[in-house]
Amino acid sequence: SSELTQDPAVSVALGQTVRITCQGDSLRSYYASWYQQKPGQAPVLVIYGKNNRPSGIPDRFSGSSSGNTASLTITGAQAEDEADYYCNSRDSSGNHLFGTGTKVTVL
Amino acid sequence: QVQLQQSGPGLVKPSQTLSLTCAISGDSVSSNSAAWNWIRQSPSRGLEWLGRTYYRSKWYNDYAVSVKSRITINPDTSKNQFSLQLNSVTPEDTAVYYCARDLPREAANWFDPWGQGTLVTVSS
Repeated sequence: SSELTQDPAVSVALGQTVRITCQGDSLRSYYASWYQQKPGQAPVLVIYGKNNRPSGIPDRFSGSSSGNTASLTITGAQAEDEADYYCNSRDSSGNHLFGTGTKVTVL
Repeated sequence: QVQLQQSGPGLVKPSQTLSLTCAISGDSVSSNSAAWNWIRQSPSRGLEWLGRTYYRSKWYNDYAVSVKSRITINPDTSKNQFSLQLNSVTPEDTAVYYCARDLPREAANWFDPWGQGTLVTVSS
């Protein structure tokens, strides 16, 4: 299918680790990119390619992929990581797809 | 540092044309390695890629199937910007619209940076 599916919400205790997953057939051929979005703001790129972080993104953010599933891991979650997270990839036609989004709550 | 600055009206009447512009600083709309995209976000549709324009010895456009019959994305090299036109809008086109740069690679792509977003409401 040409969809990317994410869990709607996850919670994590302050300082603990959380993994956000993204599932879709296109992920067998293309790496996912990941975006953080806080209320009222534009999405911000946090992970791209195999496991690359843009300048300014903390190293507690990391990415991985296996089969049709891509994952974003936050190791040692901080209060400021509370946000919505979206994955993105392409399908075989070159169209861009976005995931359904995961709301991360830091307890 | 690349920055994208959006402009355009926040209210459009049904059946009319939605028009937005994205001004680029720190890069060129004619770049041979970037693509220039429009993306929208609404509670009902989530994040939805609409289309892109890019230059690879000549200009190309790709559009999402969902809007292909109604959308035009044009580059403006004289002003280093690109625009979105969406025709025959309905209330379902109400969304926050973003422009974003895409750096496509063989097995990956990523959108960075994004414009600040423009809430466009379709209402009479």
